[in-house]
Amino acid sequence: SQKIEQNSEALNIQEGKTATLTCNYTNYSPAYLQWYRQDPGRGPVFLLLIRENEKEKRKERLKVTFDTTLKQSLFHITASQPADSATYLCALPRKGRRALTFGSGTRLQVQP
Amino acid sequence: GAGVSQSPRYKVAKRGQDVALRCDPISGHVSLFWYQQALGQGPEFLTYFQNEAQLDKSGLPSDRFFAERPEGSVSTLKIQRTQQEDSAVYLCASSADRVVERPNEQFFGPGTRLTVL
Repeated sequence: SQKIEQNSEALNIQEGKTATLTCNYTNYSPAYLQWYRQDPGRGPVFLLLIRENEKEKRKERLKVTFDTTLKQSLFHITASQPADSATYLCALPRKGRRALTFGSGTRLQVQP
Repeated sequence: GAGVSQSPRYKVAKRGQDVALRCDPISGHVSLFWYQQALGQGPEFLTYFQNEAQLDKSGLPSDRFFAERPEGSVSTLKIQRTQQEDSAVYLCASSADRVVERPNEQFFGPGTRLTVL
C-alpha cells in the first residue's frame, strides 16, 4: 500500500538557520507532491506544489525538491524565523483519486 | 466569508449519540473533502464530493459514518452511535478544479474537534 514517511521527531533550530524537512514515500509514483503548514487548532494551509518533472521549486524563503528516483522530497526554509514554527505536512494525490494522502507531519520549532 | 467554515468547532458527545458536523466550502468550489485527524497524525481521507455527487467514500471507517452534500455546496458529516475511537478532529476542505498550475490545492476549514465520552 502507499506509504508516506516524515520525521516524527520535532526539529529544533536556531533563528536564521535553514530548516530541512524530509518526506519519503513508497509504492507510489505521484504526478505531483504538495507541502502544507498546520498550526495548532487550525486546518492545514497549502504552501507549495512540485510536479514529477520538476527538480526544484522556490517561493520566497521556501524551497522544495523532488527526487522521483529516491522517492523523496526535501522542504527547506531559509533564514528561519520563530513565526515559521508549525507542523509541516507533505501530501500526495491518492492513486487514481482526487483525495490526498498525508504524512504524519514534522513539527518545526525555531528558537529566537 | 472567504474561507472554509465548519461548525461546531467543538463537540462533546456521549457514547452512542449521533452527531452532525457541518462544512461551508468556499463559494464556487466544486470539490469537497472530509478528513479525520487523530492527535499527532496527518489528516486521513474519509470521503469526496464533486458538486452533489459523492464520488469516493472509500475512507469512511464504518457504516456509522455518512456524508451528504445535497445542493452541491454545504456538506454534513453524520456519525451515528458514536464510539470513543471516533474522537478526533474532522477537517473539511474544498478545491477549485480548474487551477492548472496548482492542481488539487485544497483549502481547509479549522476543523471540528469531536470528543466521545
